[in-house]
Amino acid sequence: AQTVTQSQPEMSVQEAETVTLSCTYDTSESDYYLFWYKQPPSRQMILVIRQEAYKQQNATENRFSVNFQKAAKSFSLKISDSQLGDAAMYFCAYRYSGAGSYQLTFGKGTKLSVIP
Amino acid sequence: DSGVTQTPKHLITATGQRVTLRCSPRSGDLSVYWYQQSLDQGLQFLIQYYNGEERAKGNILERFSAQQFPDLHSELNLSSLELGDSALYFCASNRGGLAETQYFGPGTRLLVL
Repeated sequence: AQTVTQSQPEMSVQEAETVTLSCTYDTSESDYYLFWYKQPPSRQMILVIRQEAYKQQNATENRFSVNFQKAAKSFSLKISDSQLGDAAMYFCAYRYSGAGSYQLTFGKGTKLSVIP
Repeated sequence: DSGVTQTPKHLITATGQRVTLRCSPRSGDLSVYWYQQSLDQGLQFLIQYYNGEERAKGNILERFSAQQFPDLHSELNLSSLELGDSALYFCASNRGGLAETQYFGPGTRLLVL
C-alpha cells in the first residue's frame, strides 16, 4: 500500500522569507501524481500544486515550487516570499495512475505559521 | 470557491442516530469522492462514484453507505453513529479522467454527542 509521510508536524517562517515543507512517499509504482493541498482555518482544501511523476521538470505556481526527487521518493514544497495568508495546514498527497480508482492518499499534514 | 457544494455545513446529533450528507459536484464533473478528516485518522478516502456507479471503496465502515443520483449529486449516509464518527467529511469531484485534479467542497462538520 502507498504511504505518504510528512515528518514536520509544525513549522514557522518569518514573513517574506522562504520555507520548505518535506514529504516522502512509498510506492512500487512508476507512474503517479503528487499534490500539495493547503487547508487554512476555514477548513477548505485548496490545491496548491501538482506534479506528474513522468515529468522531470519540477512544477511551479507563482511563489510555490516543488523539489521532486523520484528515486528518493521525495516531494518537498518551497514557499518563497511567505505571506500571512500562507499560514495553514499543508497536506502532501499521492495518487496512483493505474486502472481503477484515483483516490488520494494523504500525509498527516504540516502546520505552517507565518510570523509577521 | 471550488464549485463543489456540500450541505449541511454543520451537523450535531446523538449516538445511534442516522444522518445524510449531501454533495453537488462541479458542473460537468462525473466523479465524486468522499473523504473523512478526523484528528486521529487524518484524511482518509471513503468511497468514489463515477456517473452513478460505485468505482472504489476505501476505509468505509459497513455502517456508512453512499450513492450518486442521475443528476450526479451524491449522498453519504452514516448510521448507528458513534462518538468516533465525529469528523469533517469532504466531498471532491472531477471529470473522472486519469489526469484530473480533485476539487474539494467546504466539508460537513459532524459532531456526535
